[in-house]
Amino acid sequence: GAVVSQHPSRVICKSGTSVKIECRSLDFQATTMFWYRQFPKKSLMLMATSNEGSKATYEQGVEKDKFLINHASLTLSTLTVTSAHPEDSSFYICSAGQGKNTDTQYFGPGTRLTVL
Amino acid sequence: KQEVTQIPAALSVPEGENLVLNCSFTDSAIYNLQWFRQDPGKGLTSLLLIQSSQREQTSGRLNASLDKSSGRSTLYIAASQPGDSATYLCAVREGTYKYIFGTGTRLKVLA
Repeated sequence: GAVVSQHPSRVICKSGTSVKIECRSLDFQATTMFWYRQFPKKSLMLMATSNEGSKATYEQGVEKDKFLINHASLTLSTLTVTSAHPEDSSFYICSAGQGKNTDTQYFGPGTRLTVL
Repeated sequence: KQEVTQIPAALSVPEGENLVLNCSFTDSAIYNLQWFRQDPGKGLTSLLLIQSSQREQTSGRLNASLDKSSGRSTLYIAASQPGDSATYLCAVREGTYKYIFGTGTRLKVLA
């Protein structure tokens, strides 16, 4: 089946630094990728939708300048948390839709971000 | 605004029991509904996907039903095993792509 990877799986950084998380579709082309955030013991919240070659669409309440999303190729999307603060600590999960059919979204294993 | 709720929030059962997890959603205009499993600190594994025109889907010991008009779905797990212990999430898809996730049910199956 389709595989989505994320790198890194865990990252610890100091407050004020920027962190980049990669999401890759390993064996298929993903026209659309999605970024979710999950707080402890809470459900997933969609942050933004990224389409290859165009600007990401952010959900209401998500700061565009804080969470920079780039979808430069059909197999790679990146999420950069800029000037991270402790409240940005969370579990970030990406998913990818295969081609134009986003009925099935394949989810990555997630990235645990801890900001000290 | 679509809201997805799952009941119960947590469940602990002895091995071998059949159990039902519930999911309700406020707006019946959904494209499909999907059930996921999430192990601690891990990503999501898709279990079953039900299109809006379908009533149920089955995979092994799992059976998911969908009643769109009443805004409800159930996930039935037969003969539960300790390996079934995880958090189960339901999610409804709106429009062209957006999934709204439920609050999750944390299941623990005791050996």
